Amino acid sequence: DAGVTQSPTHLIKTRGQQVTLRCSPISGHKSVSWYQQVLGQGPQFIFQYYEKEERGRGNFPDRFSARQFPNYSSELNVNALLLGDSALYLCASSLAGFGANVLTFGAGSRLTVL
Amino acid sequence: AQKITQTQPGMFVQEKEAVTLDCTYDTSDPSYGLFWYKQPSSGEMIFLIYQGSYDQQNATEGRYSLNFQKARKSANLVISASQLGDSAMYFCAMREGGTGGFKTIFGAGTRLFVKA
Repeated sequence: DAGVTQSPTHLIKTRGQQVTLRCSPISGHKSVSWYQQVLGQGPQFIFQYYEKEERGRGNFPDRFSARQFPNYSSELNVNALLLGDSALYLCASSLAGFGANVLTFGAGSRLTVL
Repeated sequence: AQKITQTQPGMFVQEKEAVTLDCTYDTSDPSYGLFWYKQPSSGEMIFLIYQGSYDQQNATEGRYSLNFQKARKSANLVISASQLGDSAMYFCAMREGGTGGFKTIFGAGTRLFVKA
């Protein structure tokens, strides 16, 4: 079975541009979470979606938005990019969004903002 | 509010020896879960072990064990018989079980170096 897949793996943008990152969860997983990981730091929670509804939001500005589709895949959008948005963006899926459900992570999308 | 603290930025251990990575947490929710993940230099996060707040016994998974001390709010990871391949970043994480149950937060991590 395929794991969590993310695309693109690497991308370079300039300040002010917009970016869309995509995530396909493991088959059967209904929850997707997004994290931002700046080099040398732990992952910071951005969003969680479960059954196509937003169930959690981290302390990120409104420039960050996401959605989950009927097939449970997800997109993360970031508008008006800043240099500080340069990071590894990790997507994780789980069977459900709560309890002991383990997050399975994708390889990430590395965003560089120039 | 949820909080995870890892106070060891870096740790060194000799191959074949055991090492303990520290993690303390803070939550007001009586129901929560604690996780440890490994992140090698390749970048992918790998799940290692889980401990629920109501679990009576400490979790173990192969060479990994979780030293859960609920009263002290600590959840230290013990790696026995360290291997060179254990060199990586290790993150402690927590998910609350109540209304905040849809968010898993991570600590800052500990970088483990295994010496031959």
